[in-house]
Amino acid sequence: DSGVTQTPKHLITATGQRVTLRCSPRSGDLSVYWYQQSLDQGLQFLIQYYNGEERAKGNILERFSAQQFPDLHSELNLSSLELGDSALYFCASSAGAAANYGYTFGSGTRLTVV
Amino acid sequence: AQKITQTQPGMFVQEKEAVTLDCTYDTSDPSYGLFWYKQPSSGEMIFLIYQGSYDQQNATEGRYSLNFQKARKSANLVISASQLGDSAMYFCAMREPQTYYGNNRLAFGKGNQVVVIP
Repeated sequence: DSGVTQTPKHLITATGQRVTLRCSPRSGDLSVYWYQQSLDQGLQFLIQYYNGEERAKGNILERFSAQQFPDLHSELNLSSLELGDSALYFCASSAGAAANYGYTFGSGTRLTVV
Repeated sequence: AQKITQTQPGMFVQEKEAVTLDCTYDTSDPSYGLFWYKQPSSGEMIFLIYQGSYDQQNATEGRYSLNFQKARKSANLVISASQLGDSAMYFCAMREPQTYYGNNRLAFGKGNQVVVIP
């Protein structure tokens, strides 16, 4: 157990639907990152939150949004889902900004859009 | 933009042998960090090793070592004495420049597939 909890582990939904992925960071970590891993695009950074504030945005679609709550857990909302959104979505957390603060990854949520 | 290149095709490695996974990177920032992660078939991402751009020594963590050649912008992972459990996809990643406190995101390469055979 890495300490980063992602739920659900698997999600199957239809095109056009909306889903919410949840992440609880490791205890004490203030930063939460969301990544999308697909076969064709590899690991793509989506968005980062630090202590409740959005800090960096990557290749996140407008149909996707995220937030980090006061208890530091984060949610990634995916709407108007398309077949191409099928991927493994990772949440990771880190303590802060020092150079050797690696990420701790959750086990991921595998989203299948049918 | 930063870029990580991992171009080796899938590799078969004999158990107990060493394997080297290549990673080259491109950045103009003098301060950066390099990471290797392992992703077994179960899907989770496991942190293996870290090398800072100012570190004088090559990083080592148990059977993992990082061959850091700064001038060539390469950060190859060496796994010694391969085990069957080492079969996985391996990702090289670089911490992007920190423009402000709290920005610590990583850019990943495409990965190297390793299969350890008995």
